[in-house]
Amino acid sequence: AQKITQTQPGMFVQEKEAVTLDCTYDTSDQSYGLFWYKQPSSGEMIFLIYQGSYDEQNATEGRYSLNFQKARKSANLVISASQLGDSAMYFCAMRFGSARQLTFGSGTQLTVLP
Amino acid sequence: DTAVSQTPKYLVTQMGNDKSIKCEQNLGHDTMYWYKQDSKKFLKIMFSYNNKELIINETVPNRFSPKSPDKAHLNLHINSLELGDSAVYFCASSQEGGRVTDTQYFGPGTRLTVL
Repeated sequence: AQKITQTQPGMFVQEKEAVTLDCTYDTSDQSYGLFWYKQPSSGEMIFLIYQGSYDEQNATEGRYSLNFQKARKSANLVISASQLGDSAMYFCAMRFGSARQLTFGSGTQLTVLP
Repeated sequence: DTAVSQTPKYLVTQMGNDKSIKCEQNLGHDTMYWYKQDSKKFLKIMFSYNNKELIINETVPNRFSPKSPDKAHLNLHINSLELGDSAVYFCASSQEGGRVTDTQYFGPGTRLTVL
């Protein structure tokens, strides 16, 4: 079965520090895409970063980087130099094989402390 | 300039009513989706259209009927609304090139409250 697990329901980080949000998955597909989305309290879903299962280098996008460890089936999001505006719910999502829809994890609520 | 837009943003209605949510994207994408986010924030796919053709139809009550008049628009009509339909409904779109990294972009969501 294809499953995504985000084990941290809530996380706190001090402003300007780095934080890692965990995401593990279970699939027998060899080809898949990994995505992270941010949902602030205003409710919209904002795309942050993606990585393909065949990509050898970890994806980076500004202060966001994806720590992809294929053998461990993990795709953690690293946010460097946290800002107050980073406080939000973060979702790990995947596309498995030929499926077009995203399957989402349960989310991690990140709070950045001043 | 809004890439994926939805109307209305909020919808409050009585049980038994029929309502529609509209979605439009100006990204030139060929595929659109409806996702439902429940009260626990869990997101799940409902439907997807590719160039006006229904390609994903998850286990959703047939009170929900999507319609895509063209590839830039996807509407969701809900008949006989029930309390359990209360949720946030997200529209999304993507340009499908057969890659697992084809990215979906989401609209702002429609918060539906059934009283």
